[in-house]
Amino acid sequence: EAGVAQSPRYKIIEKRQSVAFWCNPISGHATLYWYQQILGQGPKLLIQFQNNGVVDDSQLPKDRFSAERLKGVDSTLKIQPAKLEDSAVYLCASSLLRTNTEAFFGQGTRLTVV
Amino acid sequence: KNEVEQSPQNLTAQEGEFITINCSYSVGISALHWLQQHPGGGIVSLFMLSSGKKKHGRLIATINIQEKHSSLHITASHPRDSAVYICAVGSNFGNEKLTFGTGTRLTIIP
Repeated sequence: EAGVAQSPRYKIIEKRQSVAFWCNPISGHATLYWYQQILGQGPKLLIQFQNNGVVDDSQLPKDRFSAERLKGVDSTLKIQPAKLEDSAVYLCASSLLRTNTEAFFGQGTRLTVV
Repeated sequence: KNEVEQSPQNLTAQEGEFITINCSYSVGISALHWLQQHPGGGIVSLFMLSSGKKKHGRLIATINIQEKHSSLHITASHPRDSAVYICAVGSNFGNEKLTFGTGTRLTIIP
């Protein structure tokens, strides 16, 4: 079974530039999560999708971050414009259902903003 | 909001030692996850449990719902077990929002 695919693996950009990350969840998984993990901390949920609808985006900095999952399959997360404090690993995860099911994580995208 | 605490933050042990990592949380949960994160960022799910005990190879996870506490044990530890182990809990409110601990960095010395 193919896992959660993310790209790119690494990205270095200058502050105020834009960047986009892509995630393809496990086939059939209705729930997709984007997490931000700053060095030394646990992952923090940015946004959760159920199919193509947003379930929770309460911690998404909406002035600069946006995410979409138009067809309920793959998803993109965008930062525009980036700040130095956005340097982190961005993790995508998917699960079959919304509740009480195992989440599968991608390898993450390590973003460095200089 | 659920507070998730892990201990210890860092653990260094000799190969072959029995390892225990602890996780405590403050609010009732639907399930608790143990995750393994290797350098480079990728996370692998080790266990998801809501009661009792689970075992997979040299890994054992236990949970005590009344005490809001879980432990991850590694028997006969090996250098390849070196990683960050993260505890995450799912909410009891119908929407599986995971709250993560800050992780335990385990280093196994040959």
